[in-house]
Amino acid sequence: NAGVTQTPKFQVLKTGQSMTLQCAQDMNHNSMYWYRQDPGMGLRLIYYSASEGTTDKGEVPNGYNVSRLNKREFSLRLESAAPSQTSVYFCASRMSMSGEQFFGPGTRLTVL
Amino acid sequence: GIQVEQSPPDLILQEGANSTLRCNFSDSVNNLQWFHQNPWGQLINLFYIPSGTKQNGRLSATTVATERYSLLYISSSQTTDSGVYFCAVERRDTGNQFYFGTGTSLTVIP
Repeated sequence: NAGVTQTPKFQVLKTGQSMTLQCAQDMNHNSMYWYRQDPGMGLRLIYYSASEGTTDKGEVPNGYNVSRLNKREFSLRLESAAPSQTSVYFCASRMSMSGEQFFGPGTRLTVL
Repeated sequence: GIQVEQSPPDLILQEGANSTLRCNFSDSVNNLQWFHQNPWGQLINLFYIPSGTKQNGRLSATTVATERYSLLYISSSQTTDSGVYFCAVERRDTGNQFYFGTGTSLTVIP
């Protein structure tokens, strides 16, 4: 099992460009999450999907959109990137809306 | 949201020493996890511990949910224990969101 995988690992964008971060899990988990981590801080929740077909906003959703493509995949889209979105992005999943989360390796995004 | 405070913010230990990391939270919670973020940025699950005590090798954790805190004990520390330790809490009636503390940065020197 690969667990939670994320692509790409690194990305540099110019202000105003768009991109999609991909996340997939092979653990048959129902719930998936997107977080961002800024220097010296803990993780903050952007969006989550409790189950296939549902998505909800987290603590910091502005400037992002998400798609739960199927049970395995949960993507995060930046429509018009801003320097304030420079961060490390983590995807996570868990079996249900209880229980422990498992994290992917992260995507380091820089917006110039 | 729930406020999560971790202490100390920074800790430097000699290899072989023991340490206790603390996580306080502002409201009752249903879930609590401890993570280790290694120097390469990877988040590693340590404990899922909404209440009670668990042990895994040199690490153990205790959560006293009624008093709104959790403790992570590291015994006989090794250089590979270096990194940042996060606790994260969840309360189901706030929308199933996990709230993270700002972490304890641990450096173990040989």
